[in-house]
Amino acid sequence: SQWGEENLQALSIQEGEDVTMNCSYKTYTTVVQWYRQKSGKGPAQLILIRSNEREKRSGRLRATLDTSSQSSSLSITGTLATDTAVYFCAATPSNMGYKLTFGTGTSLLVDP
Amino acid sequence: GPKVLQIPSHQIIDMGQMVTLNCDPVSNHLYFYWYKQILGQQMEFLVNFYNGKVMEKSKLFKDQFSVERPDGSYFTLKIQPTALEDSAVYFCASSLEQSAETLYFGSGTRLTVL
Repeated sequence: SQWGEENLQALSIQEGEDVTMNCSYKTYTTVVQWYRQKSGKGPAQLILIRSNEREKRSGRLRATLDTSSQSSSLSITGTLATDTAVYFCAATPSNMGYKLTFGTGTSLLVDP
Repeated sequence: GPKVLQIPSHQIIDMGQMVTLNCDPVSNHLYFYWYKQILGQQMEFLVNFYNGKVMEKSKLFKDQFSVERPDGSYFTLKIQPTALEDSAVYFCASSLEQSAETLYFGSGTRLTVL
């Protein structure tokens, strides 16, 4: 089964704009993580949000989690050209604690 | 931050040959992972490894695949024999705890099977 599923998108915006990326799940999860993968690099964790949290902020990033709709979002305010990357959400199912399953990713291009 | 190193960054081999991908995980981490990513697609879990043993593996982790950490340093993924469909980028990751709440990934090894 697919633990984490992301609305596959390719977004192109101008530097300075805000952007929101969405992710939805088919099954229960206790933790949602957002990763960023730049070209030629491995994913790097941006933010982790737990099932008992509705919102988590880190600098220009804001993640939300709605367990009732099994969805999460990642917002970036005041984007920079260096935010250009693929963004993945990832889920850790409650009964599969050491397996992290990634969504399909959102490709974000920020034009300077 | 903590670094995971993968060697080599790119490897080209002929179908049927053996290949070993090497990973130098974060020094105090205990849990190790391999993921496979085909160009333009999502990362897919292959296997995780702890205390000298495979904890869990996916359907992608075929019989031709094996993992080990023979000398306590490099964590390796061996494919023998390789097939064309094994062409992908293989990412190694490590974590300190079993919960996989923070995985640190290497930059990947691009494997091309001809």
